[in-house]
Amino acid sequence: EDQVTQSPEALRLQEGESSSLNCSYTVSGLRGLFWYRQDPGKGPEFLFTLYSAGEEKEKERLKATLTKKESFLHITAPKPEDSATYLCAVHRGAQKLVFGQGTRLTINP
Amino acid sequence: KAGVTQTPRYLIKTRGQQVTLSCSPISGHRSVSWYQQTPGQGLQFLFEYFSETQRNKGNFPGRFSGRQFSNSRSEMNVSTLELGDSALYLCASSLDFRAGPTQYFGPGTRLTVL
Repeated sequence: EDQVTQSPEALRLQEGESSSLNCSYTVSGLRGLFWYRQDPGKGPEFLFTLYSAGEEKEKERLKATLTKKESFLHITAPKPEDSATYLCAVHRGAQKLVFGQGTRLTINP
Repeated sequence: KAGVTQTPRYLIKTRGQQVTLSCSPISGHRSVSWYQQTPGQGLQFLFEYFSETQRNKGNFPGRFSGRQFSNSRSEMNVSTLELGDSALYLCASSLDFRAGPTQYFGPGTRLTVL
């Protein structure tokens, strides 16, 4: 069965302190890996789609990378407004995404 | 372009009642998926519709059902509500999930069952 594990569950950083979030997956025939950001009480906001190992995508202070077993979301010099829960999801071929439990990120000013 | 809209945003029901939630996808999107989000289970897939046909269904009891209309709008229904059905119900749309699975989510409907 498809499994997606995100670590850490929660991460607290100081403003400007760079770090990485991890998403490891057990999926045969990966057809896409997705990163979303979710603010409290809101729906997930799409960030990135990665399709093949070695692929990288960037958006402002965020960069997502993909290997054959995991993906990383790197956050460079974060600001308090980057505080949110970051969700990782995989697509294998059935018409659905399988989500990890998320990493709750807090950036202190 | 307007995003995915969901109505109502908040609902309070009692056990045994039924509820209908509505979702309007992004204009031009024909695939609509529904997810249940709870603190313990995270985001769990309910079902996916395309051109009024259910193409995939998650592991939820038959009390959970849905449908899609010809204009791609979708509704989901939960009958005989239980306390454990309290959750954030999220709708997501894409052009066609098979062709491009990037989904865009609505704000969700917060259902509380008392």
